[in-house]
Amino acid sequence: AQTVTQSQPEMSVQEAETVTLSCTYDTSESDYYLFWYKQPPSRQMILVIRQEAYKQQNATENRFSVNFQKAAKSFSLKISDSQLGDAAMYFCAYRPRDDKIIFGKGTRLHILP
Amino acid sequence: DAGITQSPRHKVTETGTPVTLRCHQTENHRYMYWYRQDPGHGLRLIHYSYGVKDTDKGEVSDGYSVSRSKTEDFLLTLESATSSQTSVYFCAIRDSLQGGYTFGSGTRLTVV
Repeated sequence: AQTVTQSQPEMSVQEAETVTLSCTYDTSESDYYLFWYKQPPSRQMILVIRQEAYKQQNATENRFSVNFQKAAKSFSLKISDSQLGDAAMYFCAYRPRDDKIIFGKGTRLHILP
Repeated sequence: DAGITQSPRHKVTETGTPVTLRCHQTENHRYMYWYRQDPGHGLRLIHYSYGVKDTDKGEVSDGYSVSRSKTEDFLLTLESATSSQTSVYFCAIRDSLQGGYTFGSGTRLTVV
């Protein structure tokens, strides 16, 4: 079965520091997408970053970047220069090209002022 | 972003009563999904639709039914609500260009 594992239920980081959230997934597919979603206290699910498996280059969106290791089936999210507004639940997600998204259980990120 | 709205935003209902949650989208997306979110479980798929009158079950479909009579509306029904169905429910549509999903703002359902 395809699974997504986030091994860190909670993390804390000092404001302006860098933090990395871990994610591993299990699949036998070769063509798929990976995502990180952010859920702030407002409850809205916000797409932070996406990665297509066939692309070797790691995706970057401003202060957010990923470390995609396809062979290791690892997809970590790095947040640089952490800000108070980054405090949220973060979900790692996996989607085979022609199938449905599977979510991890989430990592709650606290930002310490 | 695609327009996607869920209603109601909050609902409290009694055990044994039927409940229908509505998801409405404005951009003709083919694929629509219902998830529930519970602490420690992340988001789990209840049902999904790949077109009008075409629906299928997800991993936690027991106690739920869905209908899609129009492209823009996807309804989730709890035929007889139970306390275990207290949750936050999200509707989502699939972005055909980006591959990810766009979510509605969620419905917090409490069954007492």
